[in-house]
This record gives sequence, C-alpha cells and structure tokens, in this order.
Amino acid sequence: GDSVTQMEGPVTLSEEAFLTINCTYTATGYPSLFWYVQYPGEGLQLLLKATKADDKGSNKGFEATYRKETTSFHLEKGSVQVSDSAVYFCALSDRIAGGTSYGKLTFGQGTILTVHP
Amino acid sequence: EAGVAQSPRYKIIEKRQSVAFWCNPISGHATLYWYQQILGQGPKLLIQFQNNGVVDDSQLPKDRFSAERLKGVDSTLKIQPAKLEDSAVYLCASSLDPSGNIQYFGAGTRLSVL
Repeated sequence: GDSVTQMEGPVTLSEEAFLTINCTYTATGYPSLFWYVQYPGEGLQLLLKATKADDKGSNKGFEATYRKETTSFHLEKGSVQVSDSAVYFCALSDRIAGGTSYGKLTFGQGTILTVHP
Repeated sequence: EAGVAQSPRYKIIEKRQSVAFWCNPISGHATLYWYQQILGQGPKLLIQFQNNGVVDDSQLPKDRFSAERLKGVDSTLKIQPAKLEDSAVYLCASSLDPSGNIQYFGAGTRLSVL
C-alpha cells in the first residue's frame, strides 16, 4: 500500500539557517504530493503541493520538487525564521490511472522543527 | 470564509465510556474526512464521506467507532466504548474538489482516555 517516510526529528536550527526535511514515498498509482504544517495549537494547513513529476511547489519561501525517479519530495527553505517553528508533514494522495482520486491522504510521521533566535 | 469547526477541543473520559465529536465543514464542501492522529504519528484516515454517503471506512474500527453525516453537512464521530489506545487527536477535514486534492483541517479534538 501507499506509504510516506520522513526524516526523523526533531530538527533544531538557528535563525537564517538552511532547512531540508527529507520525504520519500511509495505509491501504486500517480500520486499528488503535499507538505502540511501544524503550528502549536492549530490545525494542519497546506503549505505546498505538486501534482506531477518535476513539478515544484512553493509557498512562504519553502520549496519542494516532485522527483519520480527517486520517489522523493524534500522540503527546503533557504533561511528559516523563528516563526517557522512547527511540525511538518509530508503526505500523498494517490490517483487511479485514468480516474479521479478519492482524496485520501497518507501522511508521514511528521518532523518537529524548532528555530532559535 | 469560516474554516472547519470542531468541538469539543478537549475531552477526558474513562475507558469503557462513550464520547462524541462534532464537525462542521466549510460551507459547500461535499467531501468530509475524519482522521485519527496518535501522538508522534501522522494522521490516519478513519472515514471519508462524499455528501452523506460513505466513500471509505476501511480503517474505521467498526466494533466501537461510528460516524454519520445525515444531511451531507455536519458530521459526528462516536466511540463506544472507548479504550486506552483511542487517546489521540481527532481531526476533521473537508474539501470542495471531489478529487480531494486540497483538504482544509479543523483544529481537532484531543481525547484522553484514562
């Protein structure tokens, strides 16, 4: 079945440092890939997404590129801020070839990011 | 635009008791999801509705969990009787697009079973 594996955390960085959170996936169909973020006390929010191979999703300075050959969707940011401290989840939504997706999201286990001033 | 509303935010019960969670999705969103998020893990889908019909409940423990969305709008998730391992955050999400590509999440209900 579908699965998502994220790098284990927690990740602790200083402000303005470079961030990478690794994510790899296993899927039987043609998945869409997502990064969701969960700030303390809040619900999950979509950060960015990519729907096909070589697509790059970007938002708020974060980027991730859909790499079909390595089945990866690593999250990067060039300069993190204290306000980026949160839990980051990689997820996929599989699609049946030629059909529509039921939309079920399969999540990784999450990576806790803490950014210090 | 109002987001996905969930209540209560927190609930503490003893094992073998019953509990119910409520979700009101974003207006006009046909698809509604309930996820269970155990501490330290990613959310796991319990049940998915399209309007008032069930699309996927393959991971719902049907001997103790039930869910309904009678009028195709708000939904309730019930656990009866609760077990210690049901302690988790229960997340509700909704999507406008039938393919479900973008889901909007509520803040969740944190359940502690003692």
